[in-house]
Amino acid sequence: ETGVTQTPRHLVMGMTNKKSLKCEQHLGHNAMYWYKQSAKKPLELMFVYNFKEQTENNSVPSRFSPECPNSSHLFLHLHTLQPEDSALYLCASSQGLAGYLYEQYFGPGTRLTVT
Amino acid sequence: GQQLNQSPQSMFIQEGEDVSMNCTSSSIFNTWLWYKQDPGEGPVLLIALYKAGELTSNGRLTAQFGITRKDSFLNISASIPSDVGIYFCAGQNTGNQFYFGTGTSLTVIP
Repeated sequence: ETGVTQTPRHLVMGMTNKKSLKCEQHLGHNAMYWYKQSAKKPLELMFVYNFKEQTENNSVPSRFSPECPNSSHLFLHLHTLQPEDSALYLCASSQGLAGYLYEQYFGPGTRLTVT
Repeated sequence: GQQLNQSPQSMFIQEGEDVSMNCTSSSIFNTWLWYKQDPGEGPVLLIALYKAGELTSNGRLTAQFGITRKDSFLNISASIPSDVGIYFCAGQNTGNQFYFGTGTSLTVIP
């Protein structure tokens, strides 16, 4: 595998379900990010991790819970989501200081539908 | 709050034509990046700009970091069908906050 991978690519879940999104980067980067992409809106940064430490949480509701066990893996745990949480969730990684825009590389995303 | 205004929102062009799009911000930026996103995929980095006035090319793509540091431009020359997609800019201001534009949807008509 190369680059940034995300699984699953598509996910349909009910509002009472619990699921997790997984991201893995094979680039040797030290920073990882979760973004939400909704139609006709700019990318919304959700969480930033640098060397496994969370450095940013952009007022994301607690029904989204990130986990970064090491610099190569990032998870987004989901529970009791709302229909408005349906979106494309993108993971990205970068080298250098987390939070800097230096050349973030994105995964293909997980298309999430909440029913 | 800070906004990145990207224009145009969409473009329909004939194959072979040149394309121009731009992003403007309300504050000074230190970094501009341009990405392309195909349907169902994540954004792919095209060009990164780190200095005011910088002009950088990547094949048929050329991007410029505006002298005022509040804008950036992306040009695509001699468009081809595979240029279809959504192009968006991203920028980081002097407070290290970064923002993404809403994208320019490009359709190339063969």
